[in-house]
Amino acid sequence: NAGVMQNPRHLVRRRGQEARLRCSPMKGHSHVYWYRQLPEEGLKFMVYLQKENIIDESGMPKERFSAEFPKEGPSILRIQQVVRGDSAAYFCASSRTPGQASGNTIYFGEGSWLTVV
Amino acid sequence: ELKVEQNPLFLSMQEGKNYTIYCNYSTTSDRLYWYRQDPGKSLESLFVLLSNGAVKQEGRLMASLDTKARLSTLHITAAVHDLSATYFCAVAHYGGATNKLIFGTGTLLAVQP
Repeated sequence: NAGVMQNPRHLVRRRGQEARLRCSPMKGHSHVYWYRQLPEEGLKFMVYLQKENIIDESGMPKERFSAEFPKEGPSILRIQQVVRGDSAAYFCASSRTPGQASGNTIYFGEGSWLTVV
Repeated sequence: ELKVEQNPLFLSMQEGKNYTIYCNYSTTSDRLYWYRQDPGKSLESLFVLLSNGAVKQEGRLMASLDTKARLSTLHITAAVHDLSATYFCAVAHYGGATNKLIFGTGTLLAVQP
């Protein structure tokens, strides 16, 4: 997971503020995934993106959350009007290609810990 | 919808003992991962299992996969304190255009001296 870069590593926001988490995938990877880990729980899939496209956002909350992966620059997970329940670790992962035949492996970043006070 | 169940959720072991963590999943998949997570840290990849009957070993940990039974096991041999962590299995899910991992609930392992 050394190549997937996330920042910030720790972020504190007051209720109602916005949080922006950034993820730069490994070199050569064009597929990005975001996962959320609530305290004392496992990781839950949020969204899967390719460059400029959202492929699967079935795990994203319907409101306040959005994600993008522009042609240039990192992927951004944006949380508007944060609430205490958004406090969690947010992990980004990347892969070279998807699919069963590709033999790809998903690599995780170090995570961004969001605390809402 | 793919579901992944792990058990036990919590495991307290004495050093030197053996134990097994189980991971069951509900639909067909061709790839299963085991990860280790220390408190406040990211995921450390332990094993990737790609085929039925696959067995991989690293130190005191051994993982196996039975795709017919939809079951993977993580066996711990002669546990030591350094193995204390939370262990997750994750199953690859492909459907339509999507490609994601579905994680189990995790097993918190505490190895007592």
